[in-house]
Amino acid sequence: DAMVIQNPRYQVTQFGKPVTLSCSQTLNHNVMYWYQQKSSQAPKLLFHYYDKDFNNEADTPDNFQSRRPNTSFCFLDIRSPGLGDAAMYLCATSLTETGYNQPQHFGDGTRLSIL
Amino acid sequence: AQKITQTQPGMFVQEKEAVTLDCTYDTSDQSYGLFWYKQPSSGEMIFLIYQGSYDEQNATEGRYSLNFQKARKSANLVISASQLGDSAMYFCAMREGGGTASKLTFGTGTRLQVTL
Repeated sequence: DAMVIQNPRYQVTQFGKPVTLSCSQTLNHNVMYWYQQKSSQAPKLLFHYYDKDFNNEADTPDNFQSRRPNTSFCFLDIRSPGLGDAAMYLCATSLTETGYNQPQHFGDGTRLSIL
Repeated sequence: AQKITQTQPGMFVQEKEAVTLDCTYDTSDQSYGLFWYKQPSSGEMIFLIYQGSYDEQNATEGRYSLNFQKARKSANLVISASQLGDSAMYFCAMREGGGTASKLTFGTGTRLQVTL
């Protein structure tokens, strides 16, 4: 089955220690998204890639970076994680950037804990 | 103003009963899509059902149906014959057309608990 895969499911890192979360997709979708979701809240969009074009949300902290080396993979890098960055991180894909009638397909998420 | 409003933070329903989860939206676009997602406690976000702004018929997917009332700007999710596995957080979301990038805007969610 075509899908969105996130690794790892659970990640523990130390305060200030860089961490990378990964996402891969077999849907061959052009757009990949990263969301942050804190407990009992709606997901918050951090940024997205349309093909190789990176689109950052205005309120995404500089501490969060992303890379998309090819169509299938996208990475979320947190350069110096703080306690407030503990959250579920969700990767999603959609076929096009502007298609209002297209759902976004999500991975299972990575739950990040900061010690 | 909130683009997506879900007024029910939590709902209880008995197994085998039907339940309606409310969602109202706000947009000035003519073209938009409305989506419902289910998020179990394990965290994955599962796409359930879609309704387009130009669709005249209410969307249905198995036990899920969407009660779309365009004039009232509401898109309520109806789950028939509830099962214990339906216990989860449910998010209503919208993608608007006409822009350069159509983001998915989520409501705050409704936590559904199915009881025996």
